[in-house]
Amino acid sequence: AQKVTQAQTEISVVEKEDVTLDCVYETRDTTYYLFWYKQPPSGELVFLIRRNSFDEQNEISGRYSWNFQKSTSSFNFTITASQVVDSAVYFCALSDPNAGNNRKLIWGLGTSLAVNP
Amino acid sequence: DAGVIQSPRHEVTEMGQEVTLRCKPISGHDYLFWYRQTMMRGLELLIYFNNNVPIDDSGMPEDRFSAKMPNASFSTLKIQPSEPRDSAVYFCASSTRANTEAFFGQGTRLTVV
Repeated sequence: AQKVTQAQTEISVVEKEDVTLDCVYETRDTTYYLFWYKQPPSGELVFLIRRNSFDEQNEISGRYSWNFQKSTSSFNFTITASQVVDSAVYFCALSDPNAGNNRKLIWGLGTSLAVNP
Repeated sequence: DAGVIQSPRHEVTEMGQEVTLRCKPISGHDYLFWYRQTMMRGLELLIYFNNNVPIDDSGMPEDRFSAKMPNASFSTLKIQPSEPRDSAVYFCASSTRANTEAFFGQGTRLTVV
């Protein structure tokens, strides 16, 4: 069965530290998508990145970077030089191949990141 | 673009009352999703539509929940009768045919007392 595990429930860092949020997934399908979303204290869910299973290139966007490794079924997210505004709950999600069109997502329970000044 | 718009932002109602949540997706998006978020169960997909047609409603908890999408720019999620265990944040999201990522509204925080 498909599953997404975010083992870190809460992380607390001091501003300017680097922090990595872990995401491990389980799927039997060969074609799937992985996502990261951010939920700041205001409550909305903000899309950060989508990665398809055939693209294992790492991605960097400003202070954010993502490391996708199919060999370990992981899709980890690193924030470099963290800032207070990065404080949020971060969710990793996997598309459910049985649902058709990869529209149905299986969500991790989230990692709550607190960046302290 | 205004993004996905949900109303109301907050709703407090008494047990047994009917509750209607509303959503306007991003213009041009073909898919619309209703999610529920609670501390206990996290994010759950309730139902999603493609071109106004319900595709998968397997996440709808029970017959008290219903969702409609009468046109491409409007959807409702109705709970009748409401129960305290329905208290949660309900999100609406939409996506295009080409891309699988969904864009979320700000959510409706529902409290049933």
